Amino acid sequence: EAGVVQSPRYKIIEKKQPVAFWCNPISGHNTLYWYRQNLGQGPELLIRYENEEAVDDSQLPKDRFSAERLKGVDSTLKIQPAELGDSAVYLCASSLDSSGNTIYFGEGSWLTVV
Amino acid sequence: QQQVKQSPQSLIVQKGGIPIINCAYENTAFDYFPWYQQFPGKGPALLIAIRPDVSEKKEGRFTISFNKSAKQFSLHIMDSQPGDSATYFCAASITGRRALTFGSGTRLQVQP
Repeated sequence: EAGVVQSPRYKIIEKKQPVAFWCNPISGHNTLYWYRQNLGQGPELLIRYENEEAVDDSQLPKDRFSAERLKGVDSTLKIQPAELGDSAVYLCASSLDSSGNTIYFGEGSWLTVV
Repeated sequence: QQQVKQSPQSLIVQKGGIPIINCAYENTAFDYFPWYQQFPGKGPALLIAIRPDVSEKKEGRFTISFNKSAKQFSLHIMDSQPGDSATYFCAASITGRRALTFGSGTRLQVQP
């Protein structure tokens, strides 16, 4: 069974440029998460989807970040415009549902803003 | 507000030693406490998890001890091996209501 797939794995952009990350969750997983992990820190939740509905986006910086999960399967996280402080690893994760099942993480998309 | 505090930040043990990593939480509504292991360049992977109705859970060489009254839980790694060298994160969540909140991580190095 394929795990959570993310792309691109690595991205270097100049500040003020846009960037997008794509995630394909494990087949059949209804809940999808985007986390941001700064160097040397634990992941922090940006947004959680139940199918195509964003049920928790309280930590998403909405002035520059947006996300979508059309058709309740794969998802895209966008940053526009990027700032130097956005340099981090963006982790996508999925679970069967939000009732306490194991959350599986992808390998992450490493963003460097210069 | 940091809801899950993890210590130590880093830990070095000899092969065969028993590293212990501690976490403390604030929100008494948390009802699921997993530990994740992360290798460089990889995403976190679930290692072991516990719910507050038990005080201890063991899976292979990994044990979680849970103290509900103190709002603390810890990870013990028995007979540690160099392959256990990784960063370990504790986390907590509220089933169905709040996703995982992670600690700041402990970088473990097991020397041969």
